[in-house]
Amino acid sequence: GENVEQHPSTLSVQEGDSAVIKCTYSDSASNYFPWYKQELGKRPQLIIDIRSNVGEKKDQRIAVTLNKTAKHFSLHITETQPEDSAVYFCAASRHLGGQNFVFGPGTRLSVLP
Amino acid sequence: DAGVIQSPRHEVTEMGQEVTLRCKPISGHNSLFWYRQTMMRGLELLIYFNNNVPIDDSGMPEDRFSAKMPNASFSTLKIQPSEPRDSAVYFCASSLDGTPYEQYFGPGTRLTVT
Repeated sequence: GENVEQHPSTLSVQEGDSAVIKCTYSDSASNYFPWYKQELGKRPQLIIDIRSNVGEKKDQRIAVTLNKTAKHFSLHITETQPEDSAVYFCAASRHLGGQNFVFGPGTRLSVLP
Repeated sequence: DAGVIQSPRHEVTEMGQEVTLRCKPISGHNSLFWYRQTMMRGLELLIYFNNNVPIDDSGMPEDRFSAKMPNASFSTLKIQPSEPRDSAVYFCASSLDGTPYEQYFGPGTRLTVT
């Protein structure tokens, strides 16, 4: 089955700096890669996703890149703000009716003022 | 839309008691997922349903756990008997086949077994 690894487990950056979180997956058939943000005490919420036919996707200060050959994908947050502090989860999925995601272990991002 | 609804939001129970968690998915969604989240194990998929049919229950820890989806608008996760190691936040999520592929999470049920 699919296995998703995520690094680093914790990350501290100064406000305004960039943050990068990296994930690797094992199943070459996975074709959808979402990123979820979970603030303390709240539910995970989708912030950006990418499909396997695309190499990069941007949405304002966040971007995701995908390298299918190497089976890894990354989340990039630029100009970090204190409200970016949260746990970020990557996931991988095949589309076989009902999107069964395999989540990575999460990265706790702290943005220091 | 009210989003995914879960009840109760908090549950405190004694070891050995039966616990039932409830979930109402977003109207029209045809996939439903139950996750368990702990500090040690992260976010684990327990079971998921597609069109009310259980597709993969390999994540269900043991026979003490069972899940049902009697119709498209309701699902339950039952633990009987409960144990302290079952203490966690249990999330329900729903999605719709086809684009967009997003899973929408409910607010979670924080379960404490003493």
